[in-house]
Amino acid sequence: DVKVTQSSRYLVKRTGEKVFLECVQDMDHENMFWYRQDPGLGLRLIYFSYDVKMKEKGDIPEGYSVSREKKERFSLILESASTNQTSMYLCASSGRFGEQYFGPGTRLTVT
Amino acid sequence: AQKVTQAQTEISVVEKEDVTLDCVYETRDTTYYLFWYKQPPSGELVFLIRRNSFDEQNEISGRYSWNFQKSTSSFNFTITASQVVDSAVYFCALSTNNAGNMLTFGGGTRLMVKP
Repeated sequence: DVKVTQSSRYLVKRTGEKVFLECVQDMDHENMFWYRQDPGLGLRLIYFSYDVKMKEKGDIPEGYSVSREKKERFSLILESASTNQTSMYLCASSGRFGEQYFGPGTRLTVT
Repeated sequence: AQKVTQAQTEISVVEKEDVTLDCVYETRDTTYYLFWYKQPPSGELVFLIRRNSFDEQNEISGRYSWNFQKSTSSFNFTITASQVVDSAVYFCALSTNNAGNMLTFGGGTRLMVKP
């Protein structure tokens, strides 16, 4: 079974802090994704990566950056957290036919 | 551009009722894939099924069945004899090779199954 893990289920940070969200997949997938999910706005793609050290902006990259130093790990970085980044963050990796497998999500609260 | 529409934002049924979740998609590509995901209250999106555009055969998996009709650009999902554990938000999604296999999600349908 595909397994995607995320470093935290719940996280509380203060405004201005640098925040790291880690995601690890164990299926040797090349593609990995970061989404945020907000009520009424659905799932929105922040960044994705097709390969190690490669990254592409999604629909809402502002205020975020990513890092992919190893194939299995894709990190989302909030350089200076703000209250409007309070959200559910979902990581995914995709198989050969495009199906995406998601991690359990991280509920981030920025106060 | 791709688009996925789930017109039903919320459905409420009583346990053991059958329920159908609608999904309509738009794409100009001839090769594409359709998906359904389940998001229970715990928050994790669970992959349920993938269909490619060349395979219109309907699929059944236990109480779940999927009806893919290219003529109406629909990929509907039916739960037979619903159970409380089916309560979740269900998302339909589309990907195409021309979009780099990125997923376009519908807005989701919240299904509430009452005992």
